[in-house]
Amino acid sequence: EPEVTQTPSHQVTQMGQEVILRCVPISNHLYFYWYRQILGQKVEFLVSFYNNEISEKSEIFDDQFSVERPDGSNFTLKIRSTKLEDSAMYFCASSEQRGSGELFFGEGSRLTVL
Amino acid sequence: SQQGEEDPQALSIQEGENATMNCSYKTSINNLQWYRQNSGRGLVHLILIRSNEREKHSGRLRVTLDTSKKSSSLLITASRAADTASYFCATDDRGQAGTALIFGKGTTLSVSS
Repeated sequence: EPEVTQTPSHQVTQMGQEVILRCVPISNHLYFYWYRQILGQKVEFLVSFYNNEISEKSEIFDDQFSVERPDGSNFTLKIRSTKLEDSAMYFCASSEQRGSGELFFGEGSRLTVL
Repeated sequence: SQQGEEDPQALSIQEGENATMNCSYKTSINNLQWYRQNSGRGLVHLILIRSNEREKHSGRLRVTLDTSKKSSSLLITASRAADTASYFCATDDRGQAGTALIFGKGTTLSVSS
């Protein structure tokens, strides 16, 4: 069964460092998303991406965040200068339909900022 | 902003019992979805109910939607220990085509054998 894969599963970094989280969405999906979940809290929307551009972003997705689809398979989230409060689980998701279709999630990348 | 809110926050039951979780939201929607998350894992889609539907079944899951009250419920019948997980409702915003899904805070279900 097709699945969304994410790497790394866990990354530890020092405050101020750049981090890149990688995702391989399901191959025939066209819409891609990043969500994050701080430990024990709700799943928060960060950004959606379609046709090589951002469709929508939340207030959390400020200038220190960026997304890219560098090739035909990968979808990346970059955090330029990490802060302690960026420590969270980051989930990539993809869907066939825009907006209100079913989302398929990866297993997440746990980011720990020290 | 558009948001689903689940209650209760936590629910503990015995195997074989039914579990009911509720979700309330704020604006008009195109559909409402329920997802499940095992501890430390990704979210898994369970069921989608459209705004013009009132009830939907999938195996041991039953979802209802009341758009007049802006609420939904998820019923898991004959629960099993393997149903232990967090359950989230997610909604879009009908007023804005293509708006990403927004998740509620979730209900943590614990089923003991």
